[in-house]
Amino acid sequence: AQSVTQLDSHVSVSEGTPVLLRCNYSSSYSPSLFWYVQHPNKGLQLLLKYTSAATLVKGINGFEAEFKKSETSFHLTKPSAHMSDAAEYFCVVSEGKGTYKYIFGTGTRLKVLA
Amino acid sequence: GAGVSQSPSNKVTEKGKDVELRCDPISGHTALYWYRQSLGQGLEFLIYFQGNSAPDKSGLPSDRFSAERTGGSVSTLTIQRTQQEDSAVYLCASSLSGANVLTFGAGSRLTVL
Repeated sequence: AQSVTQLDSHVSVSEGTPVLLRCNYSSSYSPSLFWYVQHPNKGLQLLLKYTSAATLVKGINGFEAEFKKSETSFHLTKPSAHMSDAAEYFCVVSEGKGTYKYIFGTGTRLKVLA
Repeated sequence: GAGVSQSPSNKVTEKGKDVELRCDPISGHTALYWYRQSLGQGLEFLIYFQGNSAPDKSGLPSDRFSAERTGGSVSTLTIQRTQQEDSAVYLCASSLSGANVLTFGAGSRLTVL
């Protein structure tokens, strides 16, 4: 069975410092992995996705994530946080192309301090 | 439309009343999902529609919950005899079949008093 664990419910960083949001997954198959961002009172927006191509995936707004099979991780990073990055971030796993089942993590709320 | 549209954006109702939440997906998207997001929780899958196939209703929490999708486009999620534990944000998402990327609406926040 698939599962996804976001290791931190809240992360605070200072503006201009690096961001690391951690995600570990469990999947019996070759998974597809996603990061979505949710700004207050907005829907979820896709940041990036991994679907068995390059293990380092670049997304929008300077975010990237690296798929590490040996560690079953898909951590989200950004070199320099911006105030506008303050939001909730969700890691998502699915069993790959052709499936419609998505498992969402419980979310990490990112706070960016001036 | 340009995006996934949900209405109402906010709904306050009294315990025991019925509510209907509407989702208008992106034109041409054959797959439509409903999720529930409770405070501090991840997204909970409710129901999935794909074209004319029978929907996957395995996530509906009780028989008070139902959903339909008319003409393969607009979907309505109905909650009968609402309870306080139904208070949550209900999110709709759509995708092209097999595209593997979901586009979400802004959600309908339901508060049951």
